[in-house]
Amino acid sequence: EIVLTQSPGTLSLSPGERATLSCRASQSVSSSYLAWYQQKPGQAPRLLIYGASSRATGIPDRFSGSGSGTDFTLTISRLEPEDFAVYYCQQYGSSPSTTFGGGTKVEIK
Amino acid sequence: EVQLVESGGGLVQPGRSLRLSCAASGFTFDDYAMHWVRQAPGKGLEWVSGISWNSGSIGYADSVKGRFTISRDNAKNSLYLQMNSLRAEDTALYYCAGATGGLFDYWGQGTLVTVSS
Repeated sequence: EIVLTQSPGTLSLSPGERATLSCRASQSVSSSYLAWYQQKPGQAPRLLIYGASSRATGIPDRFSGSGSGTDFTLTISRLEPEDFAVYYCQQYGSSPSTTFGGGTKVEIK
Repeated sequence: EVQLVESGGGLVQPGRSLRLSCAASGFTFDDYAMHWVRQAPGKGLEWVSGISWNSGSIGYADSVKGRFTISRDNAKNSLYLQMNSLRAEDTALYYCAGATGGLFDYWGQGTLVTVSS
């Protein structure tokens, strides 16, 4: 089973700042089957990024993903008020089995 | 409009059973693999179980293997999770989710399961 470790646990930033979130896998994620989700309080998660770097439909271009192998990054170029949320990475290379990272909370400083 | 509506949650004693259901509408149900994902209070997402469109491929997290059983009825656009031998650590909000290629496109709002004496 691939274990995903996200860091930091919490990121305290101000609107307009850049956010850089990390997701490290315990073994290589095949064909970059790595996704990112956003979850706001009281809501279900929403898909942001798939294939490590492709934005899902309707996702603003301030969100970008990068990485391969075992190290992946989600970058939010300029934080908007609605971006403060919890972000999860997911590896999906062995469907139907899958795993999520522990999450990174992006909070207002 | 896509809808996934979970039901069947509630308060149950340790060791007892519960069956969750998920009713799907607004999309072609048998085009999608379906999953259960749970979230303990204040914690992160944990994948529980998944089933392919034709039930030919099924997977479980190690934490529930041997206790939980996933199934689906494409004629009824429904997904199920039979949960036996429940433990306190199974307490969580259980989401039903539809996936293509392993990506979770659609999510329900969840049903809360509380395991306590």
